[in-house]
Amino acid sequence: GQNIDQPTEMTATEGAIVQINCTYQTSGFNGLFWYQQHAGEAPTFLSYNVLDGLEEKGRFSSFLSRSKGYSYLLLKELQMKDSASYLCAVRLTGGGNKLTFGTGTQLKVEL
Amino acid sequence: ETGVTQTPRHLVMGMTNKKSLKCEQHLGHNAMYWYKQSAKKPLELMFVYNFKEQTENNSVPSRFSPECPNSSHLFLHLHTLQPEDSALYLCASSQEGTRVTFYEQYFGPGTRLTVT
Repeated sequence: GQNIDQPTEMTATEGAIVQINCTYQTSGFNGLFWYQQHAGEAPTFLSYNVLDGLEEKGRFSSFLSRSKGYSYLLLKELQMKDSASYLCAVRLTGGGNKLTFGTGTQLKVEL
Repeated sequence: ETGVTQTPRHLVMGMTNKKSLKCEQHLGHNAMYWYKQSAKKPLELMFVYNFKEQTENNSVPSRFSPECPNSSHLFLHLHTLQPEDSALYLCASSQEGTRVTFYEQYFGPGTRLTVT
């Protein structure tokens, strides 16, 4: 089976840095996505990693280690609007674009 | 309209009703997906369509029946649902192909379904 683990909840302070971890054990791997989902809204794409290393995009960065089955999403200079659920998803091999999602990490940013 | 739209946004139905959810994508993509999102559970892939052909049915009960008349529209027909089917149903689309190197899925806002 496929297994993707993320912390259920995290709390951080406005202006701080937070790291959301994701570990995965899947039967194949063809890339890892991070999505942001505000309550009652559609998930929106944040980042994509298929090779080991760090991808930086503004305040958000994502890291991947395929040998360890591990990724993290780093959010810098936190803002109140960053309060949302952050979903880790693995794209499986075998053709098609099947994504397997973790349960998501609910991030609360406080003053 | 831009992106992926879904209607209705909210739906309450009885267990004996028949209803349909609609999804439309305005991105020129060739693949569309239905997902179910329940509280405290991961997003679950239900169905995948590539070029209007169903390529994935993730062991979904037959009371859920998808339809993809063209690459821009996707329906989910519902009949004799159970209370445990209450969830957020999300539609997504993406561009597939051998020359595509980036497989981001774009999601619609979802239909919040309540089965009474």
